[in-house]
Amino acid sequence: ETGVTQTPRHLVMGMTNKKSLKCEQHLGHNAMYWYKQSAKKPLELMFVYNFKEQTENNSVPSRFSPECPNSSHLFLHLHTLQPEDSALYLCASSQDNRFEQYFGPGTRLTVT
Amino acid sequence: KQEVTQIPAALSVPEGENLVLNCSFTDSAIYNLQWFRQDPGKGLTSLLLIQSSQREQTSGRLNASLDKSSGRSTLYIAASQPGDSATYLCAGGMDSSYKLIFGSGTRLLVRP
Repeated sequence: ETGVTQTPRHLVMGMTNKKSLKCEQHLGHNAMYWYKQSAKKPLELMFVYNFKEQTENNSVPSRFSPECPNSSHLFLHLHTLQPEDSALYLCASSQDNRFEQYFGPGTRLTVT
Repeated sequence: KQEVTQIPAALSVPEGENLVLNCSFTDSAIYNLQWFRQDPGKGLTSLLLIQSSQREQTSGRLNASLDKSSGRSTLYIAASQPGDSATYLCAGGMDSSYKLIFGSGTRLLVRP
């Protein structure tokens, strides 16, 4: 595997379900990010991790819970989501904040 | 608060034409400026990154410029091809943070 990978690619879940999104980067980067892309809205930063420490939480509701066990892996745990949380969730990584961010293919989430 | 605007929102051109996509930002305290390409339903592909100390970057048929004083960046695409059809996003990296603030994108269609 190369670059940034995300699983699953598609997810349909009910509002009472609990699920997790997984991201893995194979680039040796030290920073990882979660973004949300909704229809007709700019890409929104959700969380930033630098060397496994969370450095940014962009006022994200607590029903989204990130986890970064090491510099290569990032999870987004989901519980009691709302239909308006349906979106494309993108993971990215970079080496420090001065360098390019590389994105994964995203997880298309639908909340029913 | 940094805001990034992209004009036009959509653009349709015949194959072979040279074109310019515009990106403007309100806060000149920008660390870097990154241009991405996004195909429908997919993740983002990094095209060019310009650090705040640089004026432009080139990659193949793409050239991106940055003018911090005027709050503008442009992406120039030479000799456009149908395969260039995608949404192009610009994002400003904020000083000393890991935040990228994204514009809403320009949806480009290159007609054969």
